Amino acid sequence: DAKTTQPPSMDCAEGRAANLPCNHSTISGNEYVYWYRQIHSQGPQYIIHGLKNNETNEMASLIITEDRKSSTLILPHATLRDTAVYYCIVRVLTSGGSNYKLTFGKGTLLTVNP
Amino acid sequence: NAGVTQTPKFRVLKTGQSMTLLCAQDMNHEYMYWYRQDPGMGLRLIHYSVGEGTTAKGEVPDGYNVSRLKKQNFLLGLESAAPSQTSVYFCASLDRGSPNEQYFGPGTRLTVT
Repeated sequence: DAKTTQPPSMDCAEGRAANLPCNHSTISGNEYVYWYRQIHSQGPQYIIHGLKNNETNEMASLIITEDRKSSTLILPHATLRDTAVYYCIVRVLTSGGSNYKLTFGKGTLLTVNP
Repeated sequence: NAGVTQTPKFRVLKTGQSMTLLCAQDMNHEYMYWYRQDPGMGLRLIHYSVGEGTTAKGEVPDGYNVSRLKKQNFLLGLESAAPSQTSVYFCASLDRGSPNEQYFGPGTRLTVT
């Protein structure tokens, strides 16, 4: 799986959009970009994933550049409860024999300030 | 649905003692995983299972054994605990038919003295 690079920490004001960047310059054509987050002391939580098109769900939006070498997770209206470590993970999604395992880096600690 | 549960939540062991961590999921997921997380680090995969009766090594398997006798349970064993195994252990499960989301348990905080 391709390696990802994220800033170690970011701050965001409550109510503003939080934009979390991720570089994955060695991503392969069949690798997806996944985002998980881990609120203090809890198990990680899935947020969103995408291949090449922008994706949106009830939690966040994922913007992937056209060359797929980087992406941005957007939390449109950050709240204090969004304070967490956010992990960007690149993974092949195939059927038949795949173990679907995730490789976690250190992620980005997002702190939402009142 | 309880989702993924882990037992116990906390444990303190002396060096050389053994213990088993239990992970249970009620979502009928085929895949299950054990991770460990050390302070300031991301999660590292210890062992995983793609189905009942099958297990495989992950990134950091040494010092651990696992068993998946029932589809809903995945056990992680430490035969002779070492201080280096002090960590938070997370279990996760995944539905093979919808493999985008791993569901994680709340974690077990283990201290080996």
